[in-house]
Amino acid sequence: GAGVSQSPSNKVTEKGKDVELRCDPISGHTALYWYRQSLGQGLEFLIYFQGNSAPDKSGLPSDRFSAERTGGSVSTLTIQRTQQEDSAVYLCASTRSGVYNEQFFGPGTRLTVL
Amino acid sequence: GESVGLHLPTLSVQEGDNSIINCAYSNSASDYFIWYKQESGKGPQFIIDIRSNMDKRQGQRVTVLLNKTVKHLSLQIAATQPGDSAVYFCAERFGNEKLTFGTGTRLTIIP
Repeated sequence: GAGVSQSPSNKVTEKGKDVELRCDPISGHTALYWYRQSLGQGLEFLIYFQGNSAPDKSGLPSDRFSAERTGGSVSTLTIQRTQQEDSAVYLCASTRSGVYNEQFFGPGTRLTVL
Repeated sequence: GESVGLHLPTLSVQEGDNSIINCAYSNSASDYFIWYKQESGKGPQFIIDIRSNMDKRQGQRVTVLLNKTVKHLSLQIAATQPGDSAVYFCAERFGNEKLTFGTGTRLTIIP
């Protein structure tokens, strides 16, 4: 596709439910990132996939958060037993392999936990 | 460094004036730096990048300055326009490691 796409664009869920957020990176991009952005705040790194290497999960805030990337392309971020503090915009970005390459961001998924 | 749970600093500039947004990065070994612009309701968009072997790079109306001695990065926007109002993030990377974002600065252009 032309850019990074994310779905859904908005998700409203009830506290305690599980949610899955999807990211379709730009074709051929080997690296994929997930970030969380609370209202009016900066970007909080969550997880980083680079090719076939083990993902860097150092930013995941709790064991309720997990992500996978199937076939080196599409990624799914799963939040189990959602809490109100999980409400935020979840951004995905991808980049080509190599050091000097910018990240391209998707439009984000706005998650609201009631 | 990473921005976690921090409220954004703000900068207000009169339309037509130049603006300078500053960023202190954390890793002295970082060799690649990027500035992003994020408009309301959108994902961050690339503005300009610079490698560590350079100290200045110019784009259209934007200039990035890198001072490795004090680990400081700045973004200069010339002749600001209302469309420049956004949040600006710097980011750093070392090798093939993950990109690390700074806190971000909210720039408001006053008509």
